[in-house]
Amino acid sequence: ETGVTQSPTHLIKTRGQQVTLRCSSQSGHNTVSWYQQALGQGPQFIFQYYREEENGRGNFPPRFSGLQFPNYSSELNVNALELDDSALYLCASSLGGSGTGELFFGEGSRLTVL
Amino acid sequence: GNSVTQMEGPVTLSEEAFLTINCTYTATGYPSLFWYVQYPGEGLQLLLKATKADDKGSNKGFEATYRKETTSFHLEKGSVQVSDSAVYFCALSDYVGNYQLIWGAGTKLIIKP
Repeated sequence: ETGVTQSPTHLIKTRGQQVTLRCSSQSGHNTVSWYQQALGQGPQFIFQYYREEENGRGNFPPRFSGLQFPNYSSELNVNALELDDSALYLCASSLGGSGTGELFFGEGSRLTVL
Repeated sequence: GNSVTQMEGPVTLSEEAFLTINCTYTATGYPSLFWYVQYPGEGLQLLLKATKADDKGSNKGFEATYRKETTSFHLEKGSVQVSDSAVYFCALSDYVGNYQLIWGAGTKLIIKP
């Protein structure tokens, strides 16, 4: 059974640039959630995709967008990067929605915005 | 809105000590409650969960009981090991048209041999 994998693991961008983060979900999982974790804080829900449709969004501006592909892998795109976007971005896959609690996380992509 | 509050860390204990990490929550409905753990250099893993009042979740010697009257879900372990050193997150499920997890800030646990 393949776990959740994310890429890249680390990246550095400058303010105003755009970034794409990628996630391969665990085999058999049809739901992907993205979270932002700032240093020393708990994760914050960005959005969730279920069968290629966004079906939930947290308190993040529209410059945070995503996609889910037919194989249930996913992308997180962030446009017009700001310094406060520096964080660990976590992808989690699950079956049927993140509220079941059975989330399987990748190790994250650490984004630094200079 | 719904929220989760955890005791601040780091918590430093000696091996074989008793552990309690406090977690309290605010919720309007009947959430499920979770503890996740993040070992150094690894992703988040579900440690245990409880889906209704008075349920006790347990795993790897850790336990937590869903206390609706005190809105708490404290994590306990009778005898900690160095390998338990990690960051522990308390979370609740929140249905707002979809399910999402609301997280505490995390508590870093350091176990000294």
